[in-house]
Amino acid sequence: DAGVTQSPTHLIKTRGQQVTLRCSPKSGHDTVSWYQQALGQGPQFIFQYYEEEERQRGNFPDRFSGHQFPNYSSELNVNALLLGDSALYLCASSLWTWDGGTDTQYFGPGTRLTVL
Amino acid sequence: GENVEQHPSTLSVQEGDSAVIKCTYSDSASNYFPWYKQELGKGPQLIIDIRSNVGEKKDQRIAVTLNKTAKHFSLHITETQPEDSAVYFCAAGPLGDYKLSFGAGTTVTVRA
Repeated sequence: DAGVTQSPTHLIKTRGQQVTLRCSPKSGHDTVSWYQQALGQGPQFIFQYYEEEERQRGNFPDRFSGHQFPNYSSELNVNALLLGDSALYLCASSLWTWDGGTDTQYFGPGTRLTVL
Repeated sequence: GENVEQHPSTLSVQEGDSAVIKCTYSDSASNYFPWYKQELGKGPQLIIDIRSNVGEKKDQRIAVTLNKTAKHFSLHITETQPEDSAVYFCAAGPLGDYKLSFGAGTTVTVRA
């Protein structure tokens, strides 16, 4: 049973460029959340996708956008990259619950983005 | 929004001793409290979680306690081993809100 996978592993970009990161959720999961983890800090929630729609969003600018495909995989896009966008980008998958509870989230290995 | 504070930031223990990490949260609506272990160059790995209807949960050498009145929860690792060395994160998730708010992390070093 494959866990959460992310690609690429590492990425180097220059300021002003655009980047796309990819995530495949754990088998059986239908919800994908994206987090940004700066060096030495805990992950910070960017947004979450379910049924191909953004359901929740953290405190991140519109330069950060995403997409979810019918097979539940997801992409994170960041436009007009800034030096401060350098971080580990983590994808977490879970199973949507309708009772208002928070289901267990499983993380992928992350994509290390360096902006020069 | 939810604010999670985690202490200590670093913890060094002798192999075989116990390690305790404490977290506090601010949003009384939070009902889900997972703990993650992150090794260098890897993503966070879920090690144990607890929901607000339970005060304590144990899985082999790992246990978590929750005090909803005081808004704090703790991770206890007994009989520590060198492979327990890693960064540990606590998190909290409010009811009906799927985003997790993480603490800043605790770097645990187990001395052989």
